[in-house]
Amino acid sequence: AQRVTQPEKLLSVFKGAPVELKCNYSYSGSPELFWYVQYSRQRLQLLLRHISRESIKGFTADLNKGETSFHLKKPFAQEEDSAMYYCALSGGNNDMRFGAGTRLTVKP
Amino acid sequence: EAEVAQSPRYKITEKSQAVAFWCDPISGHATLYWYRQILGQGPELLVQFQDESVVDDSQLPKDRFSAERLKGVDSTLKIQPAELGDSAMYLCASSLAGIRTEAFFGQGTRLTVV
Repeated sequence: AQRVTQPEKLLSVFKGAPVELKCNYSYSGSPELFWYVQYSRQRLQLLLRHISRESIKGFTADLNKGETSFHLKKPFAQEEDSAMYYCALSGGNNDMRFGAGTRLTVKP
Repeated sequence: EAEVAQSPRYKITEKSQAVAFWCDPISGHATLYWYRQILGQGPELLVQFQDESVVDDSQLPKDRFSAERLKGVDSTLKIQPAELGDSAMYLCASSLAGIRTEAFFGQGTRLTVV
């Protein structure tokens, strides 16, 4: 069975500080990992996916198969990054399962 | 820009009543998902359709929940009878056919059972 774990429910940093949101997964096959974000009063939307290997809004995430992790990082947090962040895993039949989410607050 | 549409946005119902939610996915998206999101938790997959067929409904409480996507386009999720513990946000999402494609979400329906 696939499982996504986000150990931190809340994370607070100051503007300009680095931020890392943790995500660990368990899956027997080769997964596709995603980060979704939900800004206040907006719908859930894709932030980035590991296969793209791109930086979106300054965020990056590297898939570490040895540690089964897909942590989200940004070197300099901005106030507009405050949101709910969800890590998600898609398995072989295109199912998409989410972690519990981390609420990031960036303080001025 | 095409979006997933859901209705109603909010629903208040009494326990033991029936309630239904509707979802219209992005045109051309073969995969449709229904999720339940309880306050403070992540979205929980209830059912996944590929066209009109159910791919996964292992987490759907089938004694009271049902879902259909008769023509492989829009979908309805029904609860009968509703219970207090069903109060949650119900999210619909859709994606293109294929392996591990991005899911696009609707605004959700906030259900309150009283």
